[in-house]
Amino acid sequence: GAVVSQHPSWVICKSGTSVKIECRSLDFQATTMFWYRQFPKQSLMLMATSNEGSKATYEQGVEKDKFLINHASLTLSTLTVTSAHPEDSSFYICSAREGGLYNEQFFGPGTRLTVL
Amino acid sequence: GENVEQHPSTLSVQEGDSAVIKCTYSDSASNYFPWYKQELGKGPQLIIDIRSNVGEKKDQRIAVTLNKTAKHFSLHITETQPEDSAVYFCALSTGGGNKLTFGTGTQLKVEL
Repeated sequence: GAVVSQHPSWVICKSGTSVKIECRSLDFQATTMFWYRQFPKQSLMLMATSNEGSKATYEQGVEKDKFLINHASLTLSTLTVTSAHPEDSSFYICSAREGGLYNEQFFGPGTRLTVL
Repeated sequence: GENVEQHPSTLSVQEGDSAVIKCTYSDSASNYFPWYKQELGKGPQLIIDIRSNVGEKKDQRIAVTLNKTAKHFSLHITETQPEDSAVYFCALSTGGGNKLTFGTGTQLKVEL
């Protein structure tokens, strides 16, 4: 099956710093990538949808200026958490899909962010 | 947005027994219904999915049923094994298989 990787798998940073998370589709071209956030023992909450070459579409309540998303190529999307604070500590998961109706979303392994 | 209710939140079964998890939804335009398995510290993995033009789909020990009239769909796992222990999420999308809305998750524990 299709593989999506994320880097790093975990990161610890100080409050006020910025952190970049990469999401790559390894063996297919991802026209659409999604970023989710998951708090402990909770479900996945969609943060934003990004289409290659376009600006990301953010879900209600997600700050665009805080969570910067770039989808510059068909195999790479990045999420930058700017001026991170302890409440941003979470498990961030990306997914990717090819174009077309009903195409499966392939999920990455997730990135654990801890902000001190 | 679309709301997906998932029950039960926890499920404990004996090895070899069957497990059933149910999700209900409200938007009749929903047309794609995947189920994901998530192990601790990992991303979700698709285990089975069903489209709105099909009532049932089976893949070895796993099956999914869809009742469009009642707006619910269920995951059935037969002959459960310890390695089936994980959190299971239902999800759905409305129109074009694009944005997914996830259920609240079910912690399944298969005991020896």
